[in-house]
Amino acid sequence: EVQLVESGGGLVQPGGSLRLSCAASGFTFSSYWMTWVRQAPGKGLEWVANIKQDGSEKYYVDSVKGRFTISRDNAKNSLYLQMNSLRAEDTAMYYCARDSEFGAYFDYWGQGTLVTVSS
Amino acid sequence: SYELTQPPSVSVSPGQTARITCSGDALPKNYAYWYQQKSGQAPVLVIYEDSKRPSGIPERFSGSSSGTMATLTISGAQVDDEADYYCYSTDSSGNRGVFGGGTKLTVL
Repeated sequence: EVQLVESGGGLVQPGGSLRLSCAASGFTFSSYWMTWVRQAPGKGLEWVANIKQDGSEKYYVDSVKGRFTISRDNAKNSLYLQMNSLRAEDTAMYYCARDSEFGAYFDYWGQGTLVTVSS
Repeated sequence: SYELTQPPSVSVSPGQTARITCSGDALPKNYAYWYQQKSGQAPVLVIYEDSKRPSGIPERFSGSSSGTMATLTISGAQVDDEADYYCYSTDSSGNRGVFGGGTKLTVL
């Protein structure tokens, strides 16, 4: 069974840093693109960043470029999101999602980890 | 940056047909995908590649795309279909994803 379990969320002050993790199981992690998607409270979904199977390609939404870094450790079946210089507008539930091997969509999602940026 | 535009809300009575639109300049080139999200839950894919239905999704869900607009149609909407619906696609480079703003479907 495919499972994606996020962790690392919490309360952080503006300007602070946080590292999110996503533990993957039930599939060959190294064979899939992976993506982070976030959702601010009461708002819509926002694509944040994705990473190729071997980590050689990474893409970001403009609002997080230069502040967030996506990475992965295929030996540990884990996806990460390093978030620096956090702002109030980064407050959201952060989901990791597996990109389908058949097309540009997500076939599995985690349950999310909540990040709150507030003083 | 690339945007997908959806109506904020759609309301229908049970048994009626609900149509949710999504417009974007790159849709003639890139597929549209539709996700259903119920309160407190992760999104679920209901339509992929404009019009294909994943296994387990009821036949009343269908999709179409023409030019710069994609449409999700729920024929004979049920109360259980009340949810937020998001269209999703990629930008012109194909490297970055983008979600529409979401449409709240009310069935009552």
